[in-house]
Amino acid sequence: GIQVEQSPPDLILQEGANSTLRCNFSDSVNNLQWFHQNPWGQLINLFYIPSGTKQNGRLSATTVATERYSLLYISSSQTTDSGVYFCAVGWGSGANSKLTFGKGITLSVRP
Amino acid sequence: DAGITQSPRHKVTETGTPVTLRCHQTENHRYMYWYRQDPGHGLRLIHYSYGVKDTDKGEVSDGYSVSRSKTEDFLLTLESATSSQTSVYFCAGGGGGNTIYFGEGSWLTVV
Repeated sequence: GIQVEQSPPDLILQEGANSTLRCNFSDSVNNLQWFHQNPWGQLINLFYIPSGTKQNGRLSATTVATERYSLLYISSSQTTDSGVYFCAVGWGSGANSKLTFGKGITLSVRP
Repeated sequence: DAGITQSPRHKVTETGTPVTLRCHQTENHRYMYWYRQDPGHGLRLIHYSYGVKDTDKGEVSDGYSVSRSKTEDFLLTLESATSSQTSVYFCAGGGGGNTIYFGEGSWLTVV
């Protein structure tokens, strides 16, 4: 199956700092999604981004499918951004359509 | 996200007993998934469904079975619970080229 690697595994920021989270994948994919898991365990979809760039407030994401990576940018970080960020890639087709997750990046934003 | 609910949210059970986790969705998602989340492993796919009565195995399916008799419900059964199945279980819907949404999670402890 496809391999998904995220880096760095852990990140500590001071409130107000910017950061870039990376997701590399080993093969062609149909789509890519970013998720945030808050400290209470809830998984929230941030972006559905098979290619190109999207922005949502202080967050933006870019996927370069031909080079097999995606980046999640967090600007002016806040303590509420803390948690684990996962990328997931969709591959296969029809009945074999699957989603494989990376191991996640743990972000801690300190006040 | 709204539309996907899991029950029970928390359960403690004894080794060797069968356990069923329920996932209910109101969004008419064709694809539904069961993942487990463990420290150091991220989210791993147990089973998925691509339609009513259509299911397939994921990467960690041993000891688990699923059923989907109608679009709204996707059941995960641990046939004979073991301590290695202590985990947090997440149901998700969507996928197949669309955004995926998660339920709130079910915390299972096998003693």
